[in-house]
Amino acid sequence: DAKTTQPTSMDCAEGRAANLPCNHSTISGNEYVYWYRQIHSQGPQYIIHGLKNNETNEMASLIITEDRKSSTLILPHATLRDTAVYYCIVNDYKLSFGAGTTVTVRA
Amino acid sequence: DAGVTQSPTHLIKTRGQQVTLRCSPKSGHDTVSWYQQALGQGPQFIFQYYEEEERQRGNFPDRFSGHQFPNYSSELNVNALLLGDSALYLCASSLGGQGDGYTFGSGTRLTVV
Repeated sequence: DAKTTQPTSMDCAEGRAANLPCNHSTISGNEYVYWYRQIHSQGPQYIIHGLKNNETNEMASLIITEDRKSSTLILPHATLRDTAVYYCIVNDYKLSFGAGTTVTVRA
Repeated sequence: DAGVTQSPTHLIKTRGQQVTLRCSPKSGHDTVSWYQQALGQGPQFIFQYYEEEERQRGNFPDRFSGHQFPNYSSELNVNALLLGDSALYLCASSLGGQGDGYTFGSGTRLTVV
């Protein structure tokens, strides 16, 4: 049921920005893009969401393309504690999780 | 402000038994969703409750049922347990529909032997 496509894994150097891409080419006009992450054996944690404008909060920035068919989550200064599985989700009154991107931050 | 609380944290059951998992939503949230997460996979949507009614359901058999109480707390019941039901069961609460972030609990780890 997942409507998104993400890379399986990516590595990032500590202190550098991590850019996580997501494709959602079938998104409809009123569907939001959500990003969650899950650190091993914990419940998923909300990061950020957006409809069509770029969004920023204390955790990350979300860049959504003008046609809304893809987005990028940016962790500005990755730390070792950002190592997790990151899920990009298009919300349709429920969250349909795909396999996500396993992000490993290396010292 | 308490987040989402789930109980118990761990549970071991025998095949064929029945189990009830409980969830208390974050204060101010009125919608509860349940997910099953098998080892190494993303969470799979089971169902969602709003105003004490099941609003949406994922691809799970009728052995999985739920309930939402007037105080918005919720229960997940699984009958006739199978070995394949072993998983982390996650509860998430939210306020109504789209645009509102979901808050997840830490889950209940169910092991069926």
